Amino acid sequence: KQEVTQIPAALSVPEGENLVLNCSFTDSAIYNLQWFRQDPGKGLTSLLLIQSSQREQTSGRLNASLDKSSGRSTLYIAASQPGDSATYLCAVDVGGGKLIFGQGTELSVKP
Amino acid sequence: GAVVSQHPSRVICKSGTSVKIECRSLDFQATTMFWYRQFPKQSLMLMATSNEGSKATYEQGVEKDKFLINHASLTLSTLTVTSAHPEDSSFYICSAETGGAEDTQYFGPGTRLTVL
Repeated sequence: KQEVTQIPAALSVPEGENLVLNCSFTDSAIYNLQWFRQDPGKGLTSLLLIQSSQREQTSGRLNASLDKSSGRSTLYIAASQPGDSATYLCAVDVGGGKLIFGQGTELSVKP
Repeated sequence: GAVVSQHPSRVICKSGTSVKIECRSLDFQATTMFWYRQFPKQSLMLMATSNEGSKATYEQGVEKDKFLINHASLTLSTLTVTSAHPEDSSFYICSAETGGAEDTQYFGPGTRLTVL
């Protein structure tokens, strides 16, 4: 059974810091991995999607890497801003579009 | 980008009543839609996969007679929580898959259900 774990559960940093969020999964048989952002009481916004054959994806200040063999992904956020404060979720696609989510990392960026 | 809507965004009901939540893909056709549940401070848990014109596939531990899913058209799936109880209070989120070569999922804004 696929399990997804995110570390840390919560993170508070001053504005401007670079930070790394971690995601690990137990079964390497995935189709892709996605990172999402969720604001309180809201739905999900897709940030980056990495196909199983890819190693990383970049969008603006965000960079996500994938090491499928070791079951790990990281989301790197450069020059963090207060507007980045949200919960970040990673999810793996185990086939048929079924996504298994991690517990999320609650990020707070202080001005 | 593709848009998925949910209605209502928030609902409060009495214990024992049934509540219907709609999920619509506004600018694309979705052969497959997914329903998730999210308890406070927890992650999303997949409840069921809904395919247009066929019965939904439920995840282990999800009662199909309690959570009725209907996917009557390529743009609409509904989740009905029957005989709701306080423990059903949760945030329900749907997603719709575009299919084809792109095959991307888009998520709705969620529905907050509170059962008194």
